[in-house]
Amino acid sequence: AQSVAQPEDQVNVAEGNPLTVKCTYSVSGNPYLFWYVQYPNRGLQFLLKYITGDNLVKGSYGFEAEFNKSQTSFHLKKPSALVSDSALYFCAVRDDQAGTALIFGKGTTLSVSS
Amino acid sequence: SQTIHQWPATLVQPVGSPLSLECTVEGTSNPNLYWYRQAAGRGLQLLFYSVGIGQISSEVPQNLSASRPQDRQFILSSKKLLLSDSGFYLCAWSLGRAGGTDTQYFGPGTRLTVL
Repeated sequence: AQSVAQPEDQVNVAEGNPLTVKCTYSVSGNPYLFWYVQYPNRGLQFLLKYITGDNLVKGSYGFEAEFNKSQTSFHLKKPSALVSDSALYFCAVRDDQAGTALIFGKGTTLSVSS
Repeated sequence: SQTIHQWPATLVQPVGSPLSLECTVEGTSNPNLYWYRQAAGRGLQLLFYSVGIGQISSEVPQNLSASRPQDRQFILSSKKLLLSDSGFYLCAWSLGRAGGTDTQYFGPGTRLTVL
């Protein structure tokens, strides 16, 4: 069975500092991994995805994520946080052996202080 | 470019009343369509998905049903709402490429409160 975990409910960083939002996954086959961001009372916005190839994936708004197969992780990173990055972040995984279902983590609230 | 619409944006309904939420996608053909519910506190639960007109798969047995009467229209319904149906309902679409590499794109959501 496929699953995804976001071990931190909340991450607090100061503006200008680097940020990391953690995600680990479990699949039977090969993982397809996604990051989304949600602002209050809004739908989810796609940030980036890993399908295959380069382990470092670059996405929207300066975010990037690193796929680590040995640690089964796909952490979201940004070199310099902005106050406007404050939002709810979701990691999601799809097992290439398991069809269309996209499994979401419970989300991590990122709070960037000025 | 593709656009996804959901309406209404907010809805307050009494227990036992019917429900109809609508989702439409513009700018693409034969998309995969999805309904999710996000309960208070954040987690997303996949309720239904559809790979074509009249083809609906249910992920969780419950008080809700879904229909896809047209290629780019996806409707979530209930005959009698329960208090537990309250939540934020999100529709999403994807191109449905084989192998599951497609990205899901979400609509703005409908906030449903059942009283």
